[in-house]
Amino acid sequence: KQEVTQIPAALSVPEGENLVLNCSFTDSAIYNLQWFRQDPGKGLTSLLLIQSSQREQTSGRLNASLDKSSGRSTLYIAASQPGDSATYLCAVLDNYGQNFVFGPGTRLSVLP
Amino acid sequence: SQTIHQWPATLVQPVGSPLSLECTVEGTSNPNLYWYRQAAGRGLQLLFYSVGIGQISSEVPQNLSASRPQDRQFILSSKKLLLSDSGFYLCAWSLTGFPFFGQGTRLTVV
Repeated sequence: KQEVTQIPAALSVPEGENLVLNCSFTDSAIYNLQWFRQDPGKGLTSLLLIQSSQREQTSGRLNASLDKSSGRSTLYIAASQPGDSATYLCAVLDNYGQNFVFGPGTRLSVLP
Repeated sequence: SQTIHQWPATLVQPVGSPLSLECTVEGTSNPNLYWYRQAAGRGLQLLFYSVGIGQISSEVPQNLSASRPQDRQFILSSKKLLLSDSGFYLCAWSLTGFPFFGQGTRLTVV
């Protein structure tokens, strides 16, 4: 059974720092991996999608990498801003394209 | 364009009362549909998913049930709520592996 973990569980940094959030999964047979952002009490916003054949994706200040063989993904946030404060979730989709498994999330606070 | 509607946004229910949360999708056909729950301070947990009308797979045993009476309608129900059912419930749909989420329902069982 696929299990997804995220490290750290929480992170508090001053504005302007570059950050790395980590995601690990136990079964490398995935269809894709996605990073989401969740603001308190709200739904999810998709940030980046990496297909299983890809190594990384970039969007603005965000860069996500995928090493499927080792079961790892990282989300890199450059020049963090207070508006980046949220919980960041990674999720993997199984090879059948049906079942998403989420990590527990990293709660990020960027202090002005 | 495709949209997903989930309601209500917030709900306060007494222990032992029934529950019905509804999710509908517009602008697509035969989507995969999902119900997730997020307990306070915890990650998203898949509760049910459906690949077609009347086809429901349960991931976690609990006192909740799901039904898909129509292609684009997914309902989460309970006959008697427990305190532990409190949480944030999210509905989602997908066709090609990219999920789209509803805005969620904050359920508080008192």
